Amino acid sequence: EPEVTQTPSHQVTQMGQEVILRCVPISNHLYFYWYRQILGQKVEFLVSFYNNEISEKSEIFDDQFSVERPDGSNFTLKIRSTKLEDSAMYFCASRDPVAGADEQYFGPGTRLTVT
Amino acid sequence: QKEVEQDPGPLSVPEGAIVSLNCTYSNSAFQYFMWYRQYSRKGPELLMYTYSSGNKEDGRFTAQVDKSSKYISLFIRDSQPSDSATYLCAMTLNNAGNMLTFGGGTRLMVKP
Repeated sequence: EPEVTQTPSHQVTQMGQEVILRCVPISNHLYFYWYRQILGQKVEFLVSFYNNEISEKSEIFDDQFSVERPDGSNFTLKIRSTKLEDSAMYFCASRDPVAGADEQYFGPGTRLTVT
Repeated sequence: QKEVEQDPGPLSVPEGAIVSLNCTYSNSAFQYFMWYRQYSRKGPELLMYTYSSGNKEDGRFTAQVDKSSKYISLFIRDSQPSDSATYLCAMTLNNAGNMLTFGGGTRLMVKP
């Protein structure tokens, strides 16, 4: 069964450093998403991406964040200068537009720890 | 008022019990409703998806939507220890690729 994959599973970085989180969405999916989940809190939407551009973003997704689809398979989230409060699980999700519904499939997540 | 509310639990039931999990929401514009299961430190796994008010059944799982009351439910029949997880409801405004808004999750423990 196709699935969303994410690397690395755990990333530790120092405050102020740049990090890139990587995702490989399901191959025929065209909508891509990033969500985050701070420990013990709700899953929160960050950004959606379609047709090589951001289609929607939340207030969390400020100028420190960017997304890119550098090739036909990867989808990345970059945090330019990490803060302690960026520590969270980051989930990538994808969706098949042909499915005609909002069934988003999530990856296993990357645990980001900012020290 | 929070947009989507769930009782955090934990909800502890014996194996074989029928489990009822619920969410309420405040935004009547939500149209699509999903239930995800999340095991500890894993990604959310899609269980059920519904659009209209009414029931949808898939194996041991039944999703119920009451848009007039802004209330959705997930029923699990013949619960198993492997069902022990956190159950998240999520909803979206339309099917144009919009963001999901999640509830905080209900932790379920099914005891053998």
